Amino acid sequence: EVQLVESGGVVVQPGGSLRLSCAASGFTFDDYAMHWVRQAPGKGLEWVSLISWDGGSTYYADSVKGRFTISRDNSKNSLYLQMNSLRAEDTALYYCAKASEGSGSYAPMDVWGKGTTVTVSS
Amino acid sequence: DIQMTQSPSSLSASVGDRVTITCRASQSISSYLNWYQQKPGKAPKLLIYAASSLQSGVPSRFSGSGSGTDFTLTISSLQPEDFATYYCQQSYSTLLFTFGPGTKVDIK
Repeated sequence: EVQLVESGGVVVQPGGSLRLSCAASGFTFDDYAMHWVRQAPGKGLEWVSLISWDGGSTYYADSVKGRFTISRDNSKNSLYLQMNSLRAEDTALYYCAKASEGSGSYAPMDVWGKGTTVTVSS
Repeated sequence: DIQMTQSPSSLSASVGDRVTITCRASQSISSYLNWYQQKPGKAPKLLIYAASSLQSGVPSRFSGSGSGTDFTLTISSLQPEDFATYYCQQSYSTLLFTFGPGTKVDIK
């Protein structure tokens, strides 16, 4: 069964840092690009970041550029999101999602995890 | 940046109704338009990709059409399990995979 399981979401103070993880199983992880997508409470979906199959290309939403870093460890079938300088507006449910092909360009997100909750609050 | 809009923002419909949701891009995105369904408390699910291709396992009552800037998701006969929020998403620009604001479909 193809599965993505996110972890690492906690309550953190403004200005703090956090690393989210996403464990993949049931597919050849290093064949596919991966995304992070977030959803603030009661709001719509917001794309956060994309990483290519080999980690060689990364892309970010303007709202997180310079603060968040996406990475992957293909030997561990894992995706990460390092989040620094966190703000209240980063409070959201964070999903990892698999792209349907390796570079991620043009490809839809065909498998999603259940998400992990990040709350930024003092 | 490419902006996505959806209409309506919400609609009420009955089981068996034909439902149409529209998505518009601020510039041409060719056919790089995807549709997702999200039920409360659940992760989004891919329904339609490349504007009109049905994702494996998705019922045939769902269909998509359009190209350029104007796109449509149609549910031919609404079923009880279809009450959800629907999002369009452009995958034309790798720099920003923009989602639309969503259309909530609830029971009349």
